[in-house]
Amino acid sequence: AQSVTQLGSHVSVSEGALVLLRCNYSSSVPPYLFWYVQYPNQGLQLLLKYTSAATLVKGINGFEAEFKKSETSFHLTKPSAHMSDAAEYFCAVDTNAGNMLTFGGGTRLMVKP
Amino acid sequence: NAGVMQNPRHLVRRRGQEARLRCSPMKGHSHVYWYRQLPEEGLKFMVYLQKENIIDESGMPKERFSAEFPKEGPSILRIQQVVRGDSAAYFCASSPPGGRYGYTFGSGTRLTVV
Repeated sequence: AQSVTQLGSHVSVSEGALVLLRCNYSSSVPPYLFWYVQYPNQGLQLLLKYTSAATLVKGINGFEAEFKKSETSFHLTKPSAHMSDAAEYFCAVDTNAGNMLTFGGGTRLMVKP
Repeated sequence: NAGVMQNPRHLVRRRGQEARLRCSPMKGHSHVYWYRQLPEEGLKFMVYLQKENIIDESGMPKERFSAEFPKEGPSILRIQQVVRGDSAAYFCASSPPGGRYGYTFGSGTRLTVV
């Protein structure tokens, strides 16, 4: 069975600093991986996805993530944090069953002025 | 092209009442998924449906919960005899056939049981 671990339930950065949100997965088959963002009292918005093409994936709002098979990781980064990036971020994995996404516990990103 | 529509956005029910949550998938999407998000937790899969079929309900509680996706109309998640522990945000997602390329989520229904 697949699982997703997000290290750090809360991450705080200063505006303009690098954002790094960690995600590790386990899967017995090549995974499809996703990052979603959730703003308060809203649904989930897809940031980016890895579907076995390029290992470096660029998403919306300046975010990107790199799939590293050897490390079973899919960390999310952004070079310079903006106040509007404050939200909860979820990493998710979908194996070739295609029936469901398994989510990590989420990381709440706080951006300090 | 409207996204995934869920209603109501907020629902308050007294213990023992029934809750009905509705989800209309995106146009062209034939797969619907329901997830539950408990306070301060991630999303947990509940059920996966296609038109008139339940494909995977491995995440559904065994009692009081049911889901349907009829040939016509929205998908319905029904919770009978609600209890305080049912208070959560319920999200619906839809995808086209194949489903592996990322789901589109609705804004959720926040159920409060008082």
